[in-house]
Amino acid sequence: TQTVSQSDAHVTVFEGDSVELRCNYSYGGSIYLSWYIQHHGRGLQFLLKYYSGNPVVQGVNGFKAEFSKSDSSFHLRKASVHWSDSAVYFCAVRSGSFNKLTFGAGTRLAVCP
Amino acid sequence: ETAVFQTPNYHVTQVGNEVSFNCKQTLGHDTMYWYKQDSKKLLKIMFSYNNKQLIVNETVPRRFSPQSSDKAHLNLRIKSVEPEDSAVYLCASSSWGEEQYFGPGTRLTVL
Repeated sequence: TQTVSQSDAHVTVFEGDSVELRCNYSYGGSIYLSWYIQHHGRGLQFLLKYYSGNPVVQGVNGFKAEFSKSDSSFHLRKASVHWSDSAVYFCAVRSGSFNKLTFGAGTRLAVCP
Repeated sequence: ETAVFQTPNYHVTQVGNEVSFNCKQTLGHDTMYWYKQDSKKLLKIMFSYNNKQLIVNETVPRRFSPQSSDKAHLNLRIKSVEPEDSAVYLCASSSWGEEQYFGPGTRLTVL
């Protein structure tokens, strides 16, 4: 059984700050991890993914994430946030042979001006 | 740029009514999905179709039924809605094994 844990329900930072959104997973199969962003009233948008190779993956809008097998983690980071980064961020693990995504509960990021 | 379209945006109905939601993707993907997102933003996969074949059918009440006419369309019908069906229903599509693209969602309110 696969699980995804996002330990922080809410994160508040100021514009220009760096931010780390935490994601831990539990899955014994082939790893495929991803992050999605959901702005208020919108659908989810893909940010980045990891399934092999370099454990640091670059995504859109300056986001990057680092996979750690030892920590079972896939934390999302951004060096300098903008107010438009305010949204809910979801970590997801793909499991099984049917491309099924299991999502974490989400982290709401609030960026104050 | 929207490439996964959902209609309607909102729907308000009463307990016991039937509703249908439509989803269309113009990305040429072979796989489509329906998710339910509750008021706490929790996302759960409901159904998935690959090349018009049902491949994922999570434990959902039997009043929910997906309908796929071709690879670009996946509709969702709910017979006799219940109050707990109030949620946002998100449609998504992907090429097999690749990242998913989501529509804007249909917000259902059951009175």
